[in-house]
Amino acid sequence: QSALTQPASVSGSPGQSITISCTGTSSDVGGYNYVSWYQQHPDKAPKLMIYDVTNRPSGVSNRFSGSKSGNTASLTISGLQGEDEADYYCSSYTSSSTFYVFGTGTKVTVL
Amino acid sequence: QLQLQESGPGLVKPSETLSLTCTVSGGSISSSSYYWGWIRQPPGKGLEWIGSIYYSGSTYYNPSLKSRVTISVDTSKNQFSLKLSSVTAADTAVYYCATAGVITFGGVRWFDPWGQGTLVTVSS
Repeated sequence: QSALTQPASVSGSPGQSITISCTGTSSDVGGYNYVSWYQQHPDKAPKLMIYDVTNRPSGVSNRFSGSKSGNTASLTISGLQGEDEADYYCSSYTSSSTFYVFGTGTKVTVL
Repeated sequence: QLQLQESGPGLVKPSETLSLTCTVSGGSISSSSYYWGWIRQPPGKGLEWIGSIYYSGSTYYNPSLKSRVTISVDTSKNQFSLKLSSVTAADTAVYYCATAGVITFGGVRWFDPWGQGTLVTVSS
């Protein structure tokens, strides 16, 4: 089971919206609603931003939203702010022998 | 509010066994609501799930590491541990422990919260 595929980088200006894609297969992203997204600032532990495709944990800004279509999940950040500059990883439960898989990671740059 | 803290040696020699412990505070490791997991991140690279354990001792391991990994739980100390044998330089990474959400039919749903992470370097 390979890692889920994400774009290496995405950028946007303050106030804009950006979307990060996460492509898997019918054994993971497409087959189950157990996609989550993590934000990681340099030298910090990852932070859960979205779980079960669309749900935000308590305390996470509503500028972050998740969705899914077929084998591709997406994270949208609206009203982009400087503090959003970080690495973002998707992940999913998988029915393959791997059980759990992370995405390749996307570096978000605020221009 | 759950908090997790990794502990263990920061330097391990090649071919030896890496051993880390995660101490859980703010809640019981015997909770049926969670799995407990280990994830690692080589310097400058992405996240890799290592494995997860339920309080009962049931485990799930990444097949790519399964032959070298053992995860165990000590409910009396509210801790769970990771052992990775026969390490090489490729095992150099920041190792995180984390709380994992449970899927009713078995499996990990998400990781939250995470420990701060601990860098383990494999070198002679």
